[in-house]
Amino acid sequence: QQQVKQSPQSLIVQKGGIPIINCAYENTAFDYFPWYQQFPGKGPALLIAIRPDVSEKKEGRFTISFNKSAKQFSLHIMDSQPGDSATYFCAPCSGTASKLTFGTGTRLQVTL
Amino acid sequence: EAGVAQSPRYKIIEKRQSVAFWCNPISGHATLYWYQQILGQGPKLLIQFQNNGVVDDSQLPKDRFSAERLKGVDSTLKIQPAKLEDSAVYLCASSGRNEKLFFGSGTQLSVL
Repeated sequence: QQQVKQSPQSLIVQKGGIPIINCAYENTAFDYFPWYQQFPGKGPALLIAIRPDVSEKKEGRFTISFNKSAKQFSLHIMDSQPGDSATYFCAPCSGTASKLTFGTGTRLQVTL
Repeated sequence: EAGVAQSPRYKIIEKRQSVAFWCNPISGHATLYWYQQILGQGPKLLIQFQNNGVVDDSQLPKDRFSAERLKGVDSTLKIQPAKLEDSAVYLCASSGRNEKLFFGSGTQLSVL
Protein backbone atom coordinates (compact mmCIF):
# COMPACT_ATOMS: atom_id res chain seq x y z
CA GLN A 1 0.00 0.00 0.00
CA GLN A 2 3.05 2.30 0.03
CA GLN A 3 2.28 3.07 -3.62
CA VAL A 4 -0.74 5.16 -2.59
CA LYS A 5 -0.26 8.18 -0.35
CA GLN A 6 -3.03 10.37 1.02
CA SER A 7 -2.81 13.81 2.55
CA PRO A 8 -3.62 15.30 4.91
CA GLN A 9 -3.94 12.61 7.56
CA SER A 10 -6.65 14.60 9.30
CA LEU A 11 -8.60 17.74 8.57
CA ILE A 12 -10.94 20.02 10.50
CA VAL A 13 -13.14 22.49 8.64
CA GLN A 14 -16.10 24.63 9.56
CA LYS A 15 -19.53 23.98 8.13
CA GLY A 16 -19.71 25.39 4.61
CA GLY A 17 -15.98 25.07 4.04
CA ILE A 18 -14.38 23.15 1.16
CA PRO A 19 -12.09 20.39 2.41
CA ILE A 20 -9.66 19.03 -0.16
CA ILE A 21 -8.10 15.59 0.18
CA ASN A 22 -5.24 14.50 -2.05
CA CYS A 23 -4.08 11.12 -3.26
CA ALA A 24 -0.74 10.44 -4.96
CA TYR A 25 0.01 7.14 -6.65
CA GLU A 26 2.99 5.50 -8.31
CA ASN A 27 1.48 2.76 -10.44
CA THR A 28 0.91 4.16 -13.92
CA ALA A 29 -1.26 1.15 -14.75
CA PHE A 30 -4.05 2.44 -12.49
CA ASP A 31 -7.07 3.35 -14.58
CA TYR A 32 -9.89 3.67 -12.04
CA PHE A 33 -9.75 6.29 -9.27
CA PRO A 34 -12.43 6.05 -6.59
CA TRP A 35 -12.97 7.71 -3.25
CA TYR A 36 -14.59 5.77 -0.41
CA GLN A 37 -16.30 7.22 2.66
CA GLN A 38 -16.27 5.33 5.96
CA PHE A 39 -18.25 6.19 9.08
CA PRO A 40 -17.25 4.75 12.47
CA GLY A 41 -18.43 1.18 12.85
CA LYS A 42 -19.31 0.85 9.18
CA GLY A 43 -17.58 -0.49 6.10
CA PRO A 44 -16.33 1.85 3.37
CA ALA A 45 -18.88 2.98 0.78
CA LEU A 46 -18.11 4.19 -2.73
CA LEU A 47 -18.55 7.97 -2.90
CA ILE A 48 -17.39 8.97 -6.36
CA ALA A 49 -14.98 7.63 -8.98
CA ILE A 50 -13.27 8.82 -12.15
CA ARG A 51 -11.64 7.22 -15.18
CA PRO A 52 -8.47 8.82 -16.66
CA ASP A 53 -10.21 10.00 -19.82
CA VAL A 54 -11.60 13.04 -17.98
CA SER A 55 -9.92 15.54 -15.65
CA GLU A 56 -12.87 16.32 -13.42
CA LYS A 57 -16.13 14.72 -12.30
CA LYS A 58 -18.82 16.22 -10.13
CA GLU A 59 -21.60 14.43 -8.29
CA GLY A 60 -23.66 16.64 -6.03
CA ARG A 61 -21.34 18.34 -3.56
CA PHE A 62 -18.44 15.99 -4.31
CA THR A 63 -15.87 16.63 -7.05
CA ILE A 64 -12.87 14.62 -8.18
CA SER A 65 -10.00 16.38 -9.92
CA PHE A 66 -7.54 14.18 -11.76
CA ASN A 67 -4.01 15.10 -12.87
CA LYS A 68 -2.58 12.22 -14.87
CA SER A 69 0.87 13.76 -15.44
CA ALA A 70 1.34 14.42 -11.73
CA LYS A 71 -0.16 11.02 -10.81
CA GLN A 72 -2.51 12.67 -8.35
CA PHE A 73 -6.23 13.00 -7.81
CA SER A 74 -8.19 14.99 -5.28
CA LEU A 75 -11.56 14.99 -3.59
CA HIS A 76 -13.31 18.33 -2.99
CA ILE A 77 -16.37 18.58 -0.80
CA MET A 78 -18.42 21.72 -1.47
CA ASP A 79 -20.50 23.31 1.28
CA SER A 80 -19.34 20.70 3.78
CA GLN A 81 -21.77 19.59 6.49
CA PRO A 82 -21.30 17.96 9.90
CA GLY A 83 -22.73 14.77 8.36
CA ASP A 84 -19.70 14.61 6.08
CA SER A 85 -17.50 13.93 9.12
CA ALA A 86 -15.95 10.57 8.28
CA THR A 87 -12.76 8.94 7.08
CA TYR A 88 -12.09 9.16 3.37
CA PHE A 89 -9.97 6.71 1.41
CA CYS A 90 -8.67 6.84 -2.11
CA ALA A 91 -8.43 3.38 -3.64
CA PRO A 92 -7.06 3.40 -7.19
CA CYS A 93 -6.83 0.21 -9.18
CA SER A 94 -6.09 -1.18 -12.62
CA GLY A 95 -7.86 -3.58 -14.91
CA THR A 96 -10.83 -4.48 -12.82
CA ALA A 97 -12.59 -2.07 -10.48
CA SER A 98 -12.48 -4.70 -7.76
CA LYS A 99 -8.68 -4.71 -7.31
CA LEU A 100 -8.54 -1.71 -5.00
CA THR A 101 -5.38 -0.35 -3.36
CA PHE A 102 -6.55 1.69 -0.39
CA GLY A 103 -4.69 4.74 0.83
CA THR A 104 -4.06 5.39 4.52
CA GLY A 105 -7.16 7.50 4.95
CA THR A 106 -8.03 11.10 5.85
CA ARG A 107 -10.12 11.76 8.91
CA LEU A 108 -12.39 14.73 8.25
CA GLN A 109 -14.26 16.62 10.95
CA VAL A 110 -16.77 19.31 9.98
CA THR A 111 -17.63 21.60 12.87
CA LEU A 112 -20.69 23.81 13.28
CA GLU B 1 -31.83 -4.76 -1.33
CA ALA B 2 -30.25 -6.26 1.77
CA GLY B 3 -26.61 -5.40 2.32
CA VAL B 4 -23.63 -7.59 3.15
CA ALA B 5 -24.22 -9.31 6.48
CA GLN B 6 -21.38 -10.15 8.84
CA SER B 7 -21.22 -11.79 12.24
CA PRO B 8 -20.21 -11.57 14.96
CA ARG B 9 -19.99 -7.82 15.33
CA TYR B 10 -17.27 -8.03 17.97
CA LYS B 11 -14.97 -10.78 19.16
CA ILE B 12 -12.41 -10.83 21.96
CA ILE B 13 -10.03 -13.78 22.24
CA GLU B 14 -6.68 -14.59 23.76
CA LYS B 15 -3.63 -15.15 21.62
CA ARG B 16 -3.21 -18.67 20.29
CA GLN B 17 -6.98 -19.20 20.31
CA SER B 18 -8.96 -19.72 17.11
CA VAL B 19 -11.75 -17.56 15.75
CA ALA B 20 -14.12 -17.62 12.79
CA PHE B 21 -16.04 -14.90 10.99
CA TRP B 22 -19.08 -15.33 8.80
CA CYS B 23 -20.24 -13.35 5.77
CA ASN B 24 -23.40 -13.43 3.70
CA PRO B 25 -22.99 -11.34 0.52
CA ILE B 26 -25.65 -9.47 -1.39
CA SER B 27 -27.90 -11.90 -3.23
CA GLY B 28 -26.62 -12.65 -6.72
CA HIS B 29 -23.13 -11.26 -6.18
CA ALA B 30 -20.63 -13.75 -7.54
CA THR B 31 -17.51 -12.09 -6.14
CA LEU B 32 -16.74 -12.01 -2.45
CA TYR B 33 -13.80 -10.38 -0.69
CA TRP B 34 -12.30 -10.45 2.79
CA TYR B 35 -10.34 -7.37 3.87
CA GLN B 36 -8.32 -6.69 7.02
CA GLN B 37 -8.40 -3.13 8.36
CA ILE B 38 -5.92 -2.36 11.10
CA LEU B 39 -6.72 0.72 13.20
CA GLY B 40 -5.64 3.88 11.40
CA GLN B 41 -5.01 2.14 8.07
CA GLY B 42 -6.89 1.44 4.88
CA PRO B 43 -8.39 -1.99 4.23
CA LYS B 44 -6.03 -4.64 2.85
CA LEU B 45 -7.32 -7.44 0.66
CA LEU B 46 -6.85 -10.89 2.16
CA ILE B 47 -8.71 -13.08 -0.30
CA GLN B 48 -11.07 -12.81 -3.27
CA PHE B 49 -13.54 -15.48 -4.37
CA GLN B 50 -15.33 -15.76 -7.70
CA ASN B 51 -18.31 -18.01 -6.94
CA ASN B 52 -16.65 -20.75 -4.86
CA GLY B 53 -13.19 -20.48 -6.42
CA VAL B 54 -10.24 -18.45 -5.12
CA VAL B 55 -9.14 -15.64 -7.46
CA ASP B 56 -6.50 -13.99 -5.30
CA ASP B 57 -5.14 -15.03 -1.92
CA SER B 58 -1.64 -13.60 -2.34
CA GLN B 59 -1.86 -11.52 0.84
CA LEU B 60 -3.49 -14.17 3.03
CA PRO B 61 -1.15 -15.48 5.78
CA LYS B 62 -1.85 -19.08 4.93
CA ASP B 63 -0.02 -20.50 7.93
CA ARG B 64 -2.79 -19.21 10.19
CA PHE B 65 -5.61 -17.84 8.04
CA SER B 66 -8.05 -19.88 5.98
CA ALA B 67 -11.23 -19.03 4.13
CA GLU B 68 -13.87 -20.94 2.27
CA ARG B 69 -16.96 -20.32 0.21
CA LEU B 70 -18.27 -23.80 -0.33
CA LYS B 71 -21.58 -23.19 -2.13
CA GLY B 72 -20.62 -19.92 -3.78
CA VAL B 73 -22.73 -17.86 -1.36
CA ASP B 74 -21.76 -17.56 2.33
CA SER B 75 -18.13 -17.46 3.37
CA THR B 76 -16.17 -18.03 6.55
CA LEU B 77 -12.73 -16.68 7.47
CA LYS B 78 -10.80 -18.48 10.18
CA ILE B 79 -7.70 -17.58 12.15
CA GLN B 80 -5.86 -20.33 14.01
CA PRO B 81 -3.87 -19.60 16.10
CA ALA B 82 -4.46 -15.89 16.55
CA LYS B 83 -1.63 -13.45 17.24
CA LEU B 84 -1.74 -10.03 18.85
CA GLU B 85 -1.10 -8.37 15.48
CA ASP B 86 -4.31 -9.91 14.10
CA SER B 87 -6.33 -7.37 16.08
CA ALA B 88 -8.24 -5.52 13.38
CA VAL B 89 -11.63 -5.12 11.72
CA TYR B 90 -12.34 -7.88 9.22
CA LEU B 91 -14.51 -6.59 6.40
CA CYS B 92 -16.41 -8.66 3.91
CA ALA B 93 -17.44 -7.17 0.58
CA SER B 94 -19.25 -8.43 -2.49
CA SER B 95 -19.66 -7.28 -6.05
CA GLY B 96 -21.81 -8.14 -9.01
CA ARG B 97 -21.42 -7.62 -12.74
CA ASN B 98 -20.67 -3.89 -12.48
CA GLU B 99 -17.78 -4.69 -10.08
CA LYS B 100 -18.91 -2.04 -7.60
CA LEU B 101 -17.95 -3.24 -4.12
CA PHE B 102 -20.41 -3.21 -1.24
CA PHE B 103 -18.92 -3.64 2.20
CA GLY B 104 -20.41 -5.09 5.35
CA SER B 105 -19.97 -3.38 8.72
CA GLY B 106 -17.18 -5.76 9.69
CA THR B 107 -16.15 -7.84 12.67
CA GLN B 108 -13.92 -6.09 15.19
CA LEU B 109 -11.40 -8.59 16.56
CA SER B 110 -9.36 -7.94 19.69
CA VAL B 111 -6.58 -10.42 20.50
CA LEU B 112 -5.36 -10.14 24.10
